[in-house]
Amino acid sequence: DQQVKQNSPSLSVQEGRISILNCDYTNSMFDYFLWYKKYPAEGPTFLISISSIKDKNEDGRFTVFLNKSAKHLSLHIVPSQPGDSAVYFCAASGTYKYIFGTGTRLKVLA
Amino acid sequence: DAGITQSPRHKVTETGTPVTLRCHQTENHRYMYWYRQDPGHGLRLIHYSYGVKDTDKGEVSDGYSVSRSKTEDFLLTLESATSSQTSVYFCAISPGQGMNTEAFFGQGTRLTVV
Repeated sequence: DQQVKQNSPSLSVQEGRISILNCDYTNSMFDYFLWYKKYPAEGPTFLISISSIKDKNEDGRFTVFLNKSAKHLSLHIVPSQPGDSAVYFCAASGTYKYIFGTGTRLKVLA
Repeated sequence: DAGITQSPRHKVTETGTPVTLRCHQTENHRYMYWYRQDPGHGLRLIHYSYGVKDTDKGEVSDGYSVSRSKTEDFLLTLESATSSQTSVYFCAISPGQGMNTEAFFGQGTRLTVV
């Protein structure tokens, strides 16, 4: 029973274009959502988050959108850069536990 | 960077032997977590701790036990290692100050059970 789902295992985008990564969740008790970035042989690093009381949060090139009625969140990266190539995990939190999705491997082509 | 140290970083062990992985933090954070990362499964929560001697099970706790006798240390033990426990293990910490805080991860331990 996967509570947090990332249905796209991989995504390729041209440098300078927009990358859109998607995530769906099933548990309506989740009230905080996060995105992490992971490079090979390193631990995941926090990227951006959003509280359930908001529908958008921006930080530089990164924007996270939350649609509570659809139980869906997305991460937009504009413009995409080759250094953004990594695995991106979405996560949801409700009671101090963080439940992660399966990840999306983003490749930004120069 | 958050002060999290995992040890060992790499380990090869034989099936049936006990293995203990250590997570040490210098941030005095209340919450600590153990995850495993496997292809196709992402990051799955094994166990977590919400204080000294306070622990609870995660999504994939079978075959694992944990202990937290000090704020700074969280140990993960595989009582009798199996090949299905070959994985990369990550420790994470969170201050838990209010609901909206992120978790910080260690560098990971690559465990191979042969």
